[in-house]
Amino acid sequence: DTEVTQTPKHLVMGMTNKKSLKCEQHMGHRAMYWYKQKAKKPPELMFVYSYEKLSINESVPSRFSPECPNSSLLNLHLHALQPEDSALYLCASSQGSLVGEKLFFGSGTQLSVL
Amino acid sequence: SQQGEEDPQALSIQEGENATMNCSYKTSINNLQWYRQNSGRGLVHLILIRSNEREKHSGRLRVTLDTSKKSSSLLITASRAADTASYFCATTGNTGFQKLVFGTGTRLLVSP
Repeated sequence: DTEVTQTPKHLVMGMTNKKSLKCEQHMGHRAMYWYKQKAKKPPELMFVYSYEKLSINESVPSRFSPECPNSSLLNLHLHALQPEDSALYLCASSQGSLVGEKLFFGSGTQLSVL
Repeated sequence: SQQGEEDPQALSIQEGENATMNCSYKTSINNLQWYRQNSGRGLVHLILIRSNEREKHSGRLRVTLDTSKKSSSLLITASRAADTASYFCATTGNTGFQKLVFGTGTRLLVSP
């Protein structure tokens, strides 16, 4: 199984809602990532988990809260988002967190904040 | 910022032609990777070239790296309509963490 599975594929939420994005991989990878991508822009790194510990937080607002319950799962909890947070949210994994490893990406969650 | 800049931003060619995309970056790197993204989908890893390599091939893909000019190019030979996608270069610095930063991307359209 070489897939990274993200759910849901699409999400519409209001600014007062709380929702969660989920990501799962069964490749035995020990590093997992969240990226945010606006239309016609490159993906921007948000968080990196290495061996289930948060190792990089790219100064992301606290309304985004990551969680790594185990080595196969990664969640992104959303609360009080703003319309400008509408974007494609991509999860990725890699075998480890050393420099030079390739990332495997999920298909993303297209998020719209109204 | 470490982000690479890609050139051209958009490229339109006919099937069978070759497509060349260029990437320039700002800081020293350990390696450079190329990814492809179909519209609204996740990214797919294409090829990785290390800083001590100058050229690498994979099928119809050829990647070059010139660390003195801080630039890389991706050549797709004999393009097909299915190659239509956005292509991103991505670099990591020389830190110990996998902090992959993506370039601005080239949108490739291959017409039948």
